Amino acid sequence: NAGVTQTPKFRILKIGQSMTLQCTQDMNHNYMYWYRQDPGMGLKLIYYSVGAGITDKGEVPNGYNVSRSTTEDFPLRLELAAPSQTSVYFCASSYRTPGQGKNIQYFGAGTRLSVL
Amino acid sequence: DAKTTQPPSMDCAEGRAANLPCNHSTISGNEYVYWYRQIHSQGPQYIIHGLKNNETNEMASLIITEDRKSSTLILPHATLRDTAVYYCIVRVGTGNQFYFGTGTSLTVIP
Repeated sequence: NAGVTQTPKFRILKIGQSMTLQCTQDMNHNYMYWYRQDPGMGLKLIYYSVGAGITDKGEVPNGYNVSRSTTEDFPLRLELAAPSQTSVYFCASSYRTPGQGKNIQYFGAGTRLSVL
Repeated sequence: DAKTTQPPSMDCAEGRAANLPCNHSTISGNEYVYWYRQIHSQGPQYIIHGLKNNETNEMASLIITEDRKSSTLILPHATLRDTAVYYCIVRVGTGNQFYFGTGTSLTVIP
């Protein structure tokens, strides 16, 4: 199993450009997440999905969009890149049974994005 | 909403036990406490989780107080490779968001 795979690993964008961060998992997990981590800070949730076709906002969703057309893939879209979106982005997935509290997340290696 | 409080940094001598505390006084009765670590800005790595009872796995032990307001992660014999930022996290509210905080930066000293 590859686990959670994120591409690209690094990217530099100009202000106003758009891009999609890719995330795929091969563990048949139903839940997937996108986090961002600014220098010296903890992770903040951008968006999450509890299954194909279902997405919901996290703590910091502004400036981002997501889709979940398959169980495996959960891309994150930046439409008009701004310097404030310079960060490290982590995708995670977990398997959660409805009604069960346990939720162990497995993370990808991250995408380091700079907007200049 | 449940949040966590951890000391910003700790040192530990190589080969000694590292005890990392976490306060989660607002945790609800049926919520788990999870511990992750992050090495050199890599993706966070799951370590262990617990609800009420103490837990142990191949990586660490987790001690949860009886009132569940705090917990301690124990790395029994710290190595240089255990130098990392350790996060104690809990679920926020009843949704699917987890509070990560800024964690504890553990430095294992030779």
